[in-house]
Amino acid sequence: QKEVEQDPGPLSVPEGAIVSLNCTYSNSAFQYFMWYRQYSRKGPELLMYTYSSGNKEDGRFTAQVDKSSKYISLFIRDSQPSDSATYLCAMRIGNAGNMLTFGGGTRLMVKP
Amino acid sequence: GAVVSQHPSRVICKSGTSVKIECRSLDFQATTMFWYRQFPKQSLMLMATSNEGSKATYEQGVEKDKFLINHASLTLSTLTVTSAHPEDSSFYICSASFPEGTLDYGYTFGSGTRLTVV
Repeated sequence: QKEVEQDPGPLSVPEGAIVSLNCTYSNSAFQYFMWYRQYSRKGPELLMYTYSSGNKEDGRFTAQVDKSSKYISLFIRDSQPSDSATYLCAMRIGNAGNMLTFGGGTRLMVKP
Repeated sequence: GAVVSQHPSRVICKSGTSVKIECRSLDFQATTMFWYRQFPKQSLMLMATSNEGSKATYEQGVEKDKFLINHASLTLSTLTVTSAHPEDSSFYICSASFPEGTLDYGYTFGSGTRLTVV
């Protein structure tokens, strides 16, 4: 079993839909949780960063962390075709300088 | 925001030759650099972690003599693929982490290098 599980998709939604992306993890020591967006043949781009449990909102994006369930989510409101990409969850134990553990990524397609 | 510049973006080389990939942090000092490899439609696989001025720590199964990492300064890290073979063809990405106390705790990634060995 992988440390971080993420449905690979592809997830296809119409433009304007609310998108829900999720990851589950097994290691309760993870403290920092991130979501990255990766376009084809590009490096990942940080979307959201959260520490411990709770919600964080930034524009159309909302990140949720439920440490008791070992479950994190990313919601995208009013999805746009430009949101079509692969979304990677990542998590880290402890301080900056420690390695990230990634989910396998979910490919999202937003159709006009 | 913080930027990591990675070059080259694409390289094609002949089998048996060596290829150097550079990553520079443009407006901050990267205490730690991570090097990843990514196969098509797969997630990032950590190859090694390097701290400025010290030897890199390689993940299990990664040949340190084949993938040479140098982190000579706080703004530059290089990955050299030595005696490249077609099976080394992949997408290589670097990532930099920030010192504690900086505002951005997420790691910044380079734009990646697509290596094709023919």
